[in-house]
Amino acid sequence: EVQLVESGGGLVQPGGSLRLSCAASGFTFTTYAMSWVRLAPGKGLEWVSAVSGSGTVTYYADSVKGRFTISRDNSKNTLFLQMDSLRAEDTAVYYCANQPGSVFSQFDYWGQGTLVTVSS
Amino acid sequence: QSVLTQPPSASGTPGQRVTISCSGSSSNLGSNTVNWYQQVPGTAPKLLIYSNNQRPSGVPDRFSGAKSGTSASLAINGLQSEDEADYYCAAWDDSLNGYWVFGGGTKLAVL
Repeated sequence: EVQLVESGGGLVQPGGSLRLSCAASGFTFTTYAMSWVRLAPGKGLEWVSAVSGSGTVTYYADSVKGRFTISRDNSKNTLFLQMDSLRAEDTAVYYCANQPGSVFSQFDYWGQGTLVTVSS
Repeated sequence: QSVLTQPPSASGTPGQRVTISCSGSSSNLGSNTVNWYQQVPGTAPKLLIYSNNQRPSGVPDRFSGAKSGTSASLAINGLQSEDEADYYCAAWDDSLNGYWVFGGGTKLAVL
């Protein structure tokens, strides 16, 4: 059974940093690209970032480019999202999702999400 | 404003057929496949349709997808109360460096 479990969310002040993790199990982690997708209050889903199975290729939404960094530790089946210079508009539930093969594939399974609140 | 355009709401009665549209452009729906996700508020999104019209294992055949040019649609036959949820279309966009785009979501009410 595929499981994706996010952690690391919480309350942070504007300008602060947070590191999200996503622990994966139930599938061969290295054969899947991974993405982060967020859902802000009252809004729709927004893709944030994606990383290839090897971790060498990354993509970012313009709204987070230069502030967020996606990475993965394939030895620990874990995905990360380092979030710096956080803004109020980054407040959202952050989901990790797996993508079979490449970053161009659909989001097959999603975690339950972790809430990030940026507020003073 | 979302890159993909969906109606904000839709509704139907049990047993009816409902369709949800998704409109894009040449850089997304015009050149890549569309996927559909269902999200019951408070829960994680779930993959409903991938590669325009493919259903993952476990998704009832009441759900179907289609794409033509820069438009796509999701159809739900035999509407059930449990189908009440938010529905999102998504596609890869080839513009700039490439990125995933979502529709704004359609809230489906089962009356």
